[in-house]
Amino acid sequence: NAGVTQTPKFRVLKTGQSMTLLCAQDMNHEYMYWYRQDPGMGLRLIHYSVGEGTTAKGEVPDGYNVSRLKKQNFLLGLESAAPSQTSVYFCASSYHGQGGSEAFFGQGTRLTVV
Amino acid sequence: RKEVEQDPGPFNVPEGATVAFNCTYSNSASQSFFWYRQDCRKEPKLLMSVYSSGNEDGRFTAQLNRASQYISLLIRDSKLSDSATYLCVVNIQYGGSQGNLIFGKGTKLSVKP
Repeated sequence: NAGVTQTPKFRVLKTGQSMTLLCAQDMNHEYMYWYRQDPGMGLRLIHYSVGEGTTAKGEVPDGYNVSRLKKQNFLLGLESAAPSQTSVYFCASSYHGQGGSEAFFGQGTRLTVV
Repeated sequence: RKEVEQDPGPFNVPEGATVAFNCTYSNSASQSFFWYRQDCRKEPKLLMSVYSSGNEDGRFTAQLNRASQYISLLIRDSKLSDSATYLCVVNIQYGGSQGNLIFGKGTKLSVKP
């Protein structure tokens, strides 16, 4: 049972490059989320989706775009990476809205922008 | 005032000790409360939900005081394997929205032999 899988697990980008982080879940969850975690800052919500074809902004959406073309996949894009986007990115999914059921997290993507 | 605040830590305790984590939240409209555990360089995982009546799971006890907007986690007879960062998490709903989980910064616990 894979749960939530993120790819890649590590990446180094140069400033201005673009990349896409992929999140896949096999639990048939409606809700999916992208967080970033920085030292001393805790987890902060970037974007989320309440179902296939829908996305919404979280707390820190600037510089990121997302898409949810298939229920099981949630993609996070960085169009022009900046050093401030160096972070650990976590994807999560849940069956109900976040208040209603457990959120399951992927193993994280460590991104460094130089 | 930050939406979810936790003890800064770190807590360094010997095996067998009892340790308590405290957390306060600022939004009185908060609906749901959780403790997550995060091991070093790993993803967060749900430890337990927190109910108004308080709840216990083995060595772990969670309490909620809505009037004081305060949440606690008590670990009794701590084990080496309890070493991790403990995250206080609150669901805050706005109007009819489904709400979002707001994470505290976490408190690191180190249990020593």
